[in-house]
Order: sequence, then C-alpha cells, then structure tokens
Amino acid sequence: AQSVTQPDIHITVSEGASLELRCNYSYGATPYLFWYVQSPGQGLQLLLKYFSGDTLVQGIKGFEAEFKRSQSSFNLRKPSVHWSDAAEYFCAVGAGDYKLSFGAGTTVTVRA
Amino acid sequence: GAGVSQSPRYKVAKRGQDVALRCDPISGHVSLFWYQQALGQGPEFLTYFQNEAQLDKSGLPSDRFFAERPEGSVSTLKIQRTQQEDSAVYLCASSLGWAAGNEKLFFGSGTQLSVL
Repeated sequence: AQSVTQPDIHITVSEGASLELRCNYSYGATPYLFWYVQSPGQGLQLLLKYFSGDTLVQGIKGFEAEFKRSQSSFNLRKPSVHWSDAAEYFCAVGAGDYKLSFGAGTTVTVRA
Repeated sequence: GAGVSQSPRYKVAKRGQDVALRCDPISGHVSLFWYQQALGQGPEFLTYFQNEAQLDKSGLPSDRFFAERPEGSVSTLKIQRTQQEDSAVYLCASSLGWAAGNEKLFFGSGTQLSVL
C-alpha cells in the first residue's frame, strides 16, 4: 500500500519569502501525486497533480512541485508567499485507482 | 449546486447516540467519497460510491458505520452508538467521472463531529 510522509508539521515564513513544503511517498510503481490546500472552514482544494511526463508541474495560486523519483519526493514550492497562503497543505498519493492516501499535513503561518 | 455541500457543519453527540451526516455532491458527479480526518491528521479513506453502488467500504472503522447513496446523488453517512473515538471531521468529496485515479476531487467543508 502507498503512504505519504510530510516531515514538517508547522512552517512559519515571512510574506514575500519563498516557501518549500516537503513530501515523501512510498509506492512501488509510478504514483499519482497531489497537493491539496485546506483553509480554515473550507474544503480541500487541489493545487496541482502529477501523473506522468514533465516532472515539474505548475499549479494554481503560483505553486509548483517537482517529482523526483530517485528521492521519492514531491516537494511543493512558491517563490513569494502572500498572507493568503496561510493554510494547511496536504500531499497525497494514489495508485491509479480511486483511493488516495494523505499525509498528516503541514500548517503554514505567514508573518508580516 | 456550485460545490459539495455537507450538513450539519457541526454535530455534538452524546456517547451512544446515532448520528447521520449528509453530503450533497456536485450535480452530475458520478463518484462520491467519504473521508475521516482526525485532529492533526490527514484525511483517511472510508468509502467510495459510483452512482448508487458502494464499490468499496474497506475504510469504514467498524460495523457501526454505514453509508448509502440510494439515488446516486445525495449520500448519508450514519454512525450508530457513537463512541469518543468517532470524534473527527467527516469529509465528503465528489468527482465527475469514474475516479480512475486522475480525477479531480471536489471536497466539501466537512462535518465536525464531537462525541461527549
């Protein structure tokens, strides 16, 4: 079965600074990889996904992520953080069927 | 509707009570999922429907949990004889197609269940 590890429980970043959230997965074949964001009181919203092809994927809100098979990683990045990016971020892995396994999440705090 | 709607938003139950949580998916969405999100954790899969057929219920924690989607649209997650360990946020998600792994999931805001 697949699994996801998000090593950082909480990250604080200054507005305008860059952000990188780590995600490591465990799965034997090529995984389907996702990043979701959850703002307080809101449902999870898909930021981006990777299935195949170019290992650098662009998402919404200026986010991007890079799939590195050799490191079993799918880290999320944003060059310049806005206060509205404060939220909880979840990495998820799928095996190509309907079931997703989510990490425990990383909470991002943005300071002025 | 415009998005996935869940009700109630909050539910407080006494231990031993039965509860019913409702999910209204996006109109026309074939696939519907229930996930359970414990405090400080990521969502965990509970069950999956394609239209009215429940194709996978392997994630339901016990036989006290029951889900249905009788007409292929609205779904209800029922928990009988609630226990404190059932306290969590219950998320519903839907997708347009047959959820072959690359479908975009649309999540509701969830129902936060607190069992006292």
